[in-house]
Amino acid sequence: ETGVTQSPTHLIKTRGQQVTLRCSSQSGHNTVSWYQQALGQGPQFIFQYYREEENGRGNFPPRFSGLQFPNYSSELNVNALELDDSALYLCASSLELAGDPNEQFFGPGTRLTVL
Amino acid sequence: QKEVEQNSGPLSVPEGAIASLNCTYSDRGSQSFFWYRQYSGKSPELIMSIYSNGDKEDGRFTAQLNKASQYVSLLIRDSQPSDSATYLCAVNIFGNEKLTFGTGTRLTIIP
Repeated sequence: ETGVTQSPTHLIKTRGQQVTLRCSSQSGHNTVSWYQQALGQGPQFIFQYYREEENGRGNFPPRFSGLQFPNYSSELNVNALELDDSALYLCASSLELAGDPNEQFFGPGTRLTVL
Repeated sequence: QKEVEQNSGPLSVPEGAIASLNCTYSDRGSQSFFWYRQYSGKSPELIMSIYSNGDKEDGRFTAQLNKASQYVSLLIRDSQPSDSATYLCAVNIFGNEKLTFGTGTRLTIIP
């Protein structure tokens, strides 16, 4: 069984730039959720993708956008980077079944630093 | 009031003792509850999930859920130095896609 993978591991960008983060879900999983974790905080939900559609969104501005591909992998795009976007970005995959509470499994994360 | 609250710690426990971690939540619609362990510089790792009132045991870990009092706890028996980490409580509301996390409790096991 292949776990959740993310790329890149680390990234340094400057304010105003754009960034794309990638995630491959665990084999057999069809749902990907993205979270932002600032230092000393718990992860904050950005959005979730299921069947290539956005399936819920947290309190993040539209410059945070995403995609899910037919193989269930996903991308997180952030435009017009701000200093406060510096954080660990986590992708979590799960198997969405109607009416079932689903366990989410995290990838190793991408550490983004905005200068 | 925060949606999910945890004591940030640090919580120090002697090796071999029981570590008790607590979490309270505000939304009575919460249906699923999870404990994640996060080592410094790493991503969260799921260690327990619990959906019904009562206790759920898995090895040295026991999760306890009391929906009437809106709290969930994690007990770690025979604590080991490798248990030293931040423990995150997460809650899911039925039909809602997101997990809401607490800020985590930092646990240190003292040899």
